[in-house]
Amino acid sequence: KNEVEQSPQNLTAQEGEFITINCSYSVGISALHWLQQHPGGGIVSLFMLSSGKKKHGRLIATINIQEKHSSLHITASHPRDSAVYICAVEDYGGSQGNLIFGKGTKLSVKP
Amino acid sequence: DGGITQSPKYLFRKEGQNVTLSCEQNLNHDAMYWYRQDPGQGLRLIYYSQIVNDFQKGDIAEGYSVSREKKESFPLTVTSAQKNPTAFYLCASSIDREGLQTQYFGPGTRLLVL
Repeated sequence: KNEVEQSPQNLTAQEGEFITINCSYSVGISALHWLQQHPGGGIVSLFMLSSGKKKHGRLIATINIQEKHSSLHITASHPRDSAVYICAVEDYGGSQGNLIFGKGTKLSVKP
Repeated sequence: DGGITQSPKYLFRKEGQNVTLSCEQNLNHDAMYWYRQDPGQGLRLIYYSQIVNDFQKGDIAEGYSVSREKKESFPLTVTSAQKNPTAFYLCASSIDREGLQTQYFGPGTRLLVL
């Protein structure tokens, strides 16, 4: 079983829709990251969370430590949001800085 | 501007040849990492280095080698022993902020072995 599970694997939305991507993990963590990978391959760090909720523009990330679950929300989605969104966790018992990655959620937003 | 540089963006090699991928950072980060990404899979850790002149194997180190002679540089060599080298390779560095590591990623190098 993967230690970090994301759902859905693929997501197609119409421009303007509210989008939710989910991440569940099975290990104790010190932090959770949401990353965005564009078709060219480059990765951008969107959020790093250890508790609660963070907001940046149209993006909102939440985490529930007790339930070992995080969600990434995109409000008023736009075609430029089309990318692969990756959840990654820092294993509390692992080597410092090493991340465990989910397989990613491929989002396609149609105009 | 501070950041992580990986070059080249695309790299083509014949089967059986060793190839070295470069990764340079001017962020003054102590820790650096190499990941491999294959279609439909999450990133997997190849090697990491927490400090100059020291590095550790990650989950899939076989067929790879690294060096960390300078803080800014962490080159990865894909050797002929790597059975399936065609992949997308990402370098990252990190800094410890209040006990939490924030990772910064390079743009990646796509290696195609023909």
